[in-house]
Amino acid sequence: AQSVTQPDIHITVSEGASLELRCNYSYGATPYLFWYVQSPGQGLQLLLKYFSGDTLVQGIKGFEAEFKRSQSSFNLRKPSVHWSDAAEYFCAVGAGYGNKLVFGAGTILRVKS
Amino acid sequence: ETGVTQTPRHLVMGMTNKKSLKCEQHLGHNAMYWYKQSAKKPLELMFVYNFKEQTENNSVPSRFSPECPNSSHLFLHLHTLQPEDSALYLCASSQGRGTDTQYFGPGTRLTVL
Repeated sequence: AQSVTQPDIHITVSEGASLELRCNYSYGATPYLFWYVQSPGQGLQLLLKYFSGDTLVQGIKGFEAEFKRSQSSFNLRKPSVHWSDAAEYFCAVGAGYGNKLVFGAGTILRVKS
Repeated sequence: ETGVTQTPRHLVMGMTNKKSLKCEQHLGHNAMYWYKQSAKKPLELMFVYNFKEQTENNSVPSRFSPECPNSSHLFLHLHTLQPEDSALYLCASSQGRGTDTQYFGPGTRLTVL
């Protein structure tokens, strides 16, 4: 069965600084990987996804993520954080068959000015 | 309207009430989902419907009763809930049976008194 670990519950970065949010997954085959963002009181919005191909994936809002099979990781990065990026970020993994996605517990990003 | 909509956005109910949550997707998708998001817990998948048929029930108590009359609409009927059922209930949809991007609605914030 798949599982996802987001080791950091909270992260605080200064506006303009770079960001990396960690995600580790457990799955025997090639996973389908997602990053979602949730603003307070809202649903989840897809940032980016990896199904196959280039392991560096570009998403919306200037985010990117890199799939590293050897490390079972799919870390999310942004070179310069904006105050509007403050939100909760969720990593998710799917098996490639069936509908089920398994979500991590989320990382809350705080941006200080 | 576009995307996935949910009504009501907020709901307060007593333990003896009966209420329903509604979800509608305008994306032409064939799979719909109910998730429960509680404070400090990972997103919990409750139910999955594919082409109007329930394909996943994640051991959800019978006081939650889903209904999917067509591929565009999904309901969650609630009765005799408990205070611990207070949470944000999220609806999502995706293209079909395989792993694919799930698009989320804004959620219904439920409070059970």
